[in-house]
Amino acid sequence: SAVISQKPSRDICQRGTSLTIQCQVDSQVTMMFWYRQQPGQSLTLIATANQGSEATYESGFVIDKFPISRPNLTFSTLTVSNMSPEDSSIYLCSAGTDYSYEQYFGPGTRLTVT
Amino acid sequence: GDSVTQMEGPVTLSEEAFLTINCTYTATGYPSLFWYVQYPGEGLQLLLKATKADDKGSNKGFEATYRKETTSFHLEKGSVQVSDSAVYFCALSDQGGSEKLVFGKGTKLTVNP
Repeated sequence: SAVISQKPSRDICQRGTSLTIQCQVDSQVTMMFWYRQQPGQSLTLIATANQGSEATYESGFVIDKFPISRPNLTFSTLTVSNMSPEDSSIYLCSAGTDYSYEQYFGPGTRLTVT
Repeated sequence: GDSVTQMEGPVTLSEEAFLTINCTYTATGYPSLFWYVQYPGEGLQLLLKATKADDKGSNKGFEATYRKETTSFHLEKGSVQVSDSAVYFCALSDQGGSEKLVFGKGTKLTVNP
């Protein structure tokens, strides 16, 4: 199994600013992902974080708004840029390996934009 | 594209009642299927999984069977407890499970004593 931590656990930010969320895994993993969970809604995949290369974004999400880094096999960051109230959500990091059917989730970062 | 349709909630049951949460899917390949649970104030946890047709996943008294003919993966429990109160998400992965997940909308379950 893998234990995932995220920082910060929550934040309140002003419109127009940016926030970087960190995701740390306690073991080397192949795949890392970033999801968004809007209030009362399901999880939507933002992007796949690729080690050493640009992230792969899902339809509706762009790099300028959600830049992602993954410098090694255990760490990734997601930045929410130029925030608006519509970005208020829980952002979750997840990770998995090629040989396991299980994907592990972090506790999430609850973001409120005022 | 792939999608998951899940019974909408909220669902309210009395302790020891029988639980069914319906889940159907659409996928181009042969997906792996999952149920995740999110307890109040906690992160998402894998509850059970099935990776091929007719597989039955089970955990903590919950069961779900991968039905290819009906493209379904309904979650069941014979006798729910107050501690089962949570939001349940059905999900699929088209390439095994460590690939990206497509989630249903979630079903909030409340179990009353």
